[in-house]
Amino acid sequence: DAGVIQSPRHEVTEMGQEVTLRCKPISGHDYLFWYRQTMMRGLELLIYFNNNVPIDDSGMPEDRFSAKMPNASFSTLKIQPSEPRDSAVYFCASTQTVTGELFFGEGSRLTVL
Amino acid sequence: GENVEQHPSTLSVQEGDSAVIKCTYSDSASNYFPWYKQELGKRPQLIIDIRSNVGEKKDQRIAVTLNKTAKHFSLHITETQPEDSAVYFCAVTDSWGKLQFGAGTQVVVTP
Repeated sequence: DAGVIQSPRHEVTEMGQEVTLRCKPISGHDYLFWYRQTMMRGLELLIYFNNNVPIDDSGMPEDRFSAKMPNASFSTLKIQPSEPRDSAVYFCASTQTVTGELFFGEGSRLTVL
Repeated sequence: GENVEQHPSTLSVQEGDSAVIKCTYSDSASNYFPWYKQELGKRPQLIIDIRSNVGEKKDQRIAVTLNKTAKHFSLHITETQPEDSAVYFCAVTDSWGKLQFGAGTQVVVTP
């Protein structure tokens, strides 16, 4: 398996633009997590899904953020409109069981100017 | 929700010495405690984990201990080497499957 695949790896955009980050989890993994990493706040859990259903989105910063998982092999995290404070590395991760290893993608580095 | 505190935030050790990182958590129902290592510019990767029915687990130079009563667990790295330099994160999974990370510890191993 190629592991968790995220795209784009890097995104530079201007304030107010829409940003869509994409993730393909490892096949057979029932759980998918979205994390945001910054120097100030570390690794923050934004939202996670179980069998494509959002279980907990309490970490989503505000209404500008939304996440979907239309099927078992694809998830998106959308920011609209983007702001400079959204600049961070966004990680997608998947696992077969919540008490097992979490496999991270390589991350999407977002810069909002 | 779960609150995970990790100390210290930075740790500098001489090569060959030991490093210890400690985490405390708040939810007594938490049952899974992994540790992740993140090298500069890379993704976090699991290095060791422990479940609530075990008090200690060891894998070569790394070990994790868990004290459920006190709600804390620690990572021990012995005979540190330069390649151990990285950021280490503890994490806690609650009974709902939510995995929360500590703030991270920057470990620097100096030759």
